[in-house]
Amino acid sequence: QKEVEQDPGPLSVPEGAIVSLNCTYSNSAFQYFMWYRQYSRKGPELLMYTYSSGNKEDGRFTAQVDKSSKYISLFIRDSQPSDSATYLCAMSGQLTFGQGTILTVHP
Amino acid sequence: DVKVTQSSRYLVKRTGEKVFLECVQDMDHENMFWYRQDPGLGLRLIYFSYDVKMKEKGDIPEGYSVSREKKERFSLILESASTNQTSMYLCASSFSGGNNYGYTFGSGTRLTVV
Repeated sequence: QKEVEQDPGPLSVPEGAIVSLNCTYSNSAFQYFMWYRQYSRKGPELLMYTYSSGNKEDGRFTAQVDKSSKYISLFIRDSQPSDSATYLCAMSGQLTFGQGTILTVHP
Repeated sequence: DVKVTQSSRYLVKRTGEKVFLECVQDMDHENMFWYRQDPGLGLRLIYFSYDVKMKEKGDIPEGYSVSREKKERFSLILESASTNQTSMYLCASSFSGGNNYGYTFGSGTRLTVV
């Protein structure tokens, strides 16, 4: 079993939809949880960072961590075509990455 | 802004060639990493370094070596390139310490071995 599981998709939604991206993990020692966004032919860039269980909001993006269930989510509200990218979850200390979910938001 | 610069965006090499991938960061980060990214397999750690002249094997070090002679530079070496090393290679860097604020990645080098 992989330490971090992420549905690779692909996920295709219409503009304006709410998107939910999820990861599960098995290592209870993970303390830091991150979401990276990777545009085509680019390196991943840090999108959201959380430390504890609960929600963290940044504009249209909300990161949610449930340590008891070993489950993290990223919600995107009012999705835009510019959100089309691969989204990777990652967990610390030395980062362990999910497989990445390919998201397409079509106009 | 932290910058991680990878020397080449695209590279085509022949089987058996020795290949050097260079990575430079400009924010005095202690840690540097090399990953490869393949469809369906995600990011896989090849090697990492916590300090100058230090190196540690990641999950898939076979066929690769690294060099870190200066803090800002971390090189990945393919001793004898093979077609199964065709991939996107990503370099990343980060600070050390208890609070992990994530990694900063370069734009990647897409290597094709023919």
